[in-house]
Amino acid sequence: AQKVTQAQTEISVVEKEDVTLDCVYETRDTTYYLFWYKQPPSGELVFLIRRNSFDEQNEISGRYSWNFQKSTSSFNFTITASQVVDSAVYFCALSEAWSGNTGKLIFGQGTTLQVKP
Amino acid sequence: DTAVSQTPKYLVTQMGNDKSIKCEQNLGHDTMYWYKQDSKKFLKIMFSYNNKELIINETVPNRFSPKSPDKAHLNLHINSLELGDSAVYFCASSQDMVQPQHFGDGTRLSIL
Repeated sequence: AQKVTQAQTEISVVEKEDVTLDCVYETRDTTYYLFWYKQPPSGELVFLIRRNSFDEQNEISGRYSWNFQKSTSSFNFTITASQVVDSAVYFCALSEAWSGNTGKLIFGQGTTLQVKP
Repeated sequence: DTAVSQTPKYLVTQMGNDKSIKCEQNLGHDTMYWYKQDSKKFLKIMFSYNNKELIINETVPNRFSPKSPDKAHLNLHINSLELGDSAVYFCASSQDMVQPQHFGDGTRLSIL
């Protein structure tokens, strides 16, 4: 069964700390896509990254980095030197290809990150 | 220019009423979606359309009826609103069914 688990419900850090948001997924498919989205307090959903199951290279974008490990079915997200503007709910999501590429996103429960000044 | 726009942003209405939420995307995407976000922030897909054809209907009550008049629009009509329909509804679009989805700002539906 397909499932995404974000075990950390809420994380609170002080500005400039590094923080890692965990994401563990379950899928029976060999071809799938993983995503991270950010939902700031204003409520919109902002796309951050997409990874396909064949690309295990880690990715860095500014202060953001992602660690994809198929061996542990994890796709973790690290924010380096966190800032108050990083405060948001972060969602990890899975899209499977076995279902005929319907594009259906299966979301985790979300992790609320609070960065205090 | 807003890529995916939803109207209205807020919708407050009484139980039993019928209401519609409109969604338009100007990205030239082929696929559009409706998601529901509940009070605990959990996001779940409701429908998806590809080139105006229904692809996903995720066991949504038939009080919910999506309509796609063209590739750029996917509207959501809800009949006989119930208290449990209170949520934020997000429209999204993607170039195809594997590309990242771009979301609208959401419509907060409150049932009195």
